[in-house]
Amino acid sequence: DTAVSQTPKYLVTQMGNDKSIKCEQNLGHDTMYWYKQDSKKFLKIMFSYNNKELIINETVPNRFSPKSPDKAHLNLHINSLELGDSAVYFCASSPGPGGAYEQYFGPGTRLTVT
Amino acid sequence: LAKTTQPISMDSYEGQEVNITCSHNNIATNDYITWYQQFPSQGPRFIIQGYKTKVTNEVASLFIPADRKSSTLSLPRVSLSDTAVYYCLVGASGGSYIPTFGRGTSLIVHP
Repeated sequence: DTAVSQTPKYLVTQMGNDKSIKCEQNLGHDTMYWYKQDSKKFLKIMFSYNNKELIINETVPNRFSPKSPDKAHLNLHINSLELGDSAVYFCASSPGPGGAYEQYFGPGTRLTVT
Repeated sequence: LAKTTQPISMDSYEGQEVNITCSHNNIATNDYITWYQQFPSQGPRFIIQGYKTKVTNEVASLFIPADRKSSTLSLPRVSLSDTAVYYCLVGASGGSYIPTFGRGTSLIVHP
């Protein structure tokens, strides 16, 4: 049983399109995250939700809009895709917010914008 | 917010012990030290976490000196499958914590 799952695994699309990535966790965790890992392998936090409330929003263009319909799901919608959005996007979850809690990561979604 | 510094890369050989040190000079009293491992094309995976002294699990050991300004992840007798990127994070519980992975330490294990 996959703890943190993401769909799709691969996403190829053209500039200007709108796309969504979905994440689900079955660990009963309260906190979920979105990370972006670029071609230089730099892994950077984008958003975090705790109990469906946004608690971290790290200087991300407002073309990116996270949505948490419930504690087990955190989706990421991206409008007007740009070439620079090409990256691997990871979802993660943890029992609570903060550095004392272990994070569990999903397998990643590789987004390619052409 | 405690900033961490790690070597960008390390090389080792199969069967050797590898020690990766992370510097976190402004660690706060309530901060924990957590290490993750990431293989190519996968998400990071938790390895070990500690607060002070030494922690050991089936995968690694974590050594934390009394002043807690640094920590050392020790991987005993590495194999080729330990080739990965290793990240050191420092933080406490709470919503103000910003997980900062950065580039980590790229460990390459040679035959």
